[in-house]
Amino acid sequence: QVQLVQSGAEVKKPGASVKVSCKASGYTFTDFDINWVRQATGQGLEWMGWMNPKSGNTGYAQKFQGRVTMTRNTSTSTAYMELTSLRSDDTAVYYCGRKAWFDPWGQGTLVTVSS
Amino acid sequence: DIVMTQSPDSLAVSLGERATINCTSSQSLLHSSNNKSRLAWYQQKPGQPPRLLILWATARESGVPDRFSGSGSGTAFALTISGLLAEDVAIYFCQHYYSPPLAFGGGTKVELK
Repeated sequence: QVQLVQSGAEVKKPGASVKVSCKASGYTFTDFDINWVRQATGQGLEWMGWMNPKSGNTGYAQKFQGRVTMTRNTSTSTAYMELTSLRSDDTAVYYCGRKAWFDPWGQGTLVTVSS
Repeated sequence: DIVMTQSPDSLAVSLGERATINCTSSQSLLHSSNNKSRLAWYQQKPGQPPRLLILWATARESGVPDRFSGSGSGTAFALTISGLLAEDVAIYFCQHYYSPPLAFGGGTKVELK
């Protein structure tokens, strides 16, 4: 079945970087875009950007421009989202999703930023 | 950028009754390529990622019970749960995928009355 499996929880200090992975299975990885969103505890969903796994083309939300980079490894069908210069308000669960309408979602990766 | 607005923020419904959640977009989501609105609905339960219920505003995803239905076109949409079950207690989000930047509504919490 189509599945996205994300890397495990991370704890980072302010100013550090985090790289979350999203491994796809059950379909041809290069056929569909991967999108990333995040959700702080008790809050809504915030879209961060998208990546075309075939071309590597990306598009980022203005809020994250300059701090986020989305990449992929087509040989392992894995997408990556790296966020730099972490702040406490970056503490959230980060999700990847296939297609623009998120089908399916990864299970989520909790990133905690704390000194 | 397209802004998505959901109402109400929360909704208390008795078992077996109907729940209706509204979602509006700041501009039309109707795409000329297929004359369909690029609007999705999701259900999220605590500790879980969201689950896709509806895409193209009205198309139920495979495996989603038929008590869930989506309606609307252009800028005004609704998700209706006909005959609420206890398992439907969750937060529901709408999302546009017209073009980047994508955006979600703020969510509607559905509880039992």
